[in-house]
Amino acid sequence: GQQLNQSPQSMFIQEGEDVSMNCTSSSIFNTWLWYKQDPGEGPVLLIALYKAGELTSNGRLTAQFGITRKDSFLNISASIPSDVGIYFCAGSNTGGFKTIFGAGTRLFVKA
Amino acid sequence: GAVVSQHPSWVICKSGTSVKIECRSLDFQATTMFWYRQFPKQSLMLMATSNEGSKATYEQGVEKDKFLINHASLTLSTLTVTSAHPEDSSFYICSARDDTSGTDTQYFGPGTRLTVL
Repeated sequence: GQQLNQSPQSMFIQEGEDVSMNCTSSSIFNTWLWYKQDPGEGPVLLIALYKAGELTSNGRLTAQFGITRKDSFLNISASIPSDVGIYFCAGSNTGGFKTIFGAGTRLFVKA
Repeated sequence: GAVVSQHPSWVICKSGTSVKIECRSLDFQATTMFWYRQFPKQSLMLMATSNEGSKATYEQGVEKDKFLINHASLTLSTLTVTSAHPEDSSFYICSARDDTSGTDTQYFGPGTRLTVL
């Protein structure tokens, strides 16, 4: 079945550093989504990407929908302590197909 | 916009009892909702797809008689864990797809932590 490979699994960074994480798949997706989950909470949508090649920003976050439609990355610039959490990528296709989630990237930010 | 609520946020119950969890889309209609289960330090595991007015679609390995899903309106889906056992203890999260968005974007609820004693 479809799978997403999300990397890295975890990151330990210093406050102020930039962060990059990515997801790859052997399958094509029409939609790429990035979520952040805080401990004990549900995932919160950060960025949604709907077109191949699309580059979208949300504050300090930037995400791109790969041109091959098989990958996406998320960048966080100038990280701050509240960026700590688990970041999930997700891919889906229109027509009611299931959304597939990556395993998550755990981000730790040291002040 | 696109707010999803869950109730209760946490519940502790005795083994053998049933627990109902509600998922509501507060400011949009959702023909399709999803129920996930998440174990500590793991990703989301899709349990079932809830469709308004029809039977839910369960993922392989998920017992439909154990996890009863009812999607009686366009803004409410419920998950009932029947005859709960300690191994059912987990974090249950629902999500909803906005009918009017024209996309497959899912919006998640805050989750319900179930502890079965």
